[in-house]
Amino acid sequence: EADIYQTPRYLVIGTGKKITLECSQTMGHDKMYWYQQDPGMELHLIHYSYGVNSTEKGDLSSESTVSRIRTEHFPLTLESARPSHTSQYLCASSETRGGLADTQYFGPGTRLTVL
Amino acid sequence: AQSVAQPEDQVNVAEGNPLTVKCTYSVSGNPYLFWYVQYPNRGLQFLLKYITGDNLVKGSYGFEAEFNKSQTSFHLKKPSALVSDSALYFCAVRVTSGTYKYIFGTGTRLKVLA
Repeated sequence: EADIYQTPRYLVIGTGKKITLECSQTMGHDKMYWYQQDPGMELHLIHYSYGVNSTEKGDLSSESTVSRIRTEHFPLTLESARPSHTSQYLCASSETRGGLADTQYFGPGTRLTVL
Repeated sequence: AQSVAQPEDQVNVAEGNPLTVKCTYSVSGNPYLFWYVQYPNRGLQFLLKYITGDNLVKGSYGFEAEFNKSQTSFHLKKPSALVSDSALYFCAVRVTSGTYKYIFGTGTRLKVLA
């Protein structure tokens, strides 16, 4: 199992609430990613980071924002949740160098339901 | 445009039989190819990857994949399927345009029947 953690695992909230999904990794990886995945469906990249203070939007438009203040931490925030945000959110990390370079390691995911 | 295709939504195979999950890709330059497995309510787990070298790559849980440059394919294989192999399998390619982004296929659900 990879050392990448996501909290909470499950979250049910009402429309309009602000939420932050946490993602942390203890592997010292420089790159981190957020994907959105509807159950059993393909992954869509919504945000990525190449290092501290570096963040980019992914291919799927998202109303969420991210920050990368520390190498190990890459939280995702929704300022005002809507039912259309209901999905599973997967965090991943990878490193640039070494034998396992470019291999993404995934957290267990956060399943978000917005009522 | 760079892309990954998994032509089968679902593959059914009897336990003990060989299995193949198909993946084709379209990239510019040399491809970095990956296979991941996802069990229910879990994140993706890395199985194997091809960067360079031998076309046959061996990975976790007895899986292997064959890189075929002329057919632009990277099919996942296992000689003898187990019921516990039943899961969702994703093929992925790293975009080689100076970024470290990945494109994932739509996934193939493998069902191994006892």
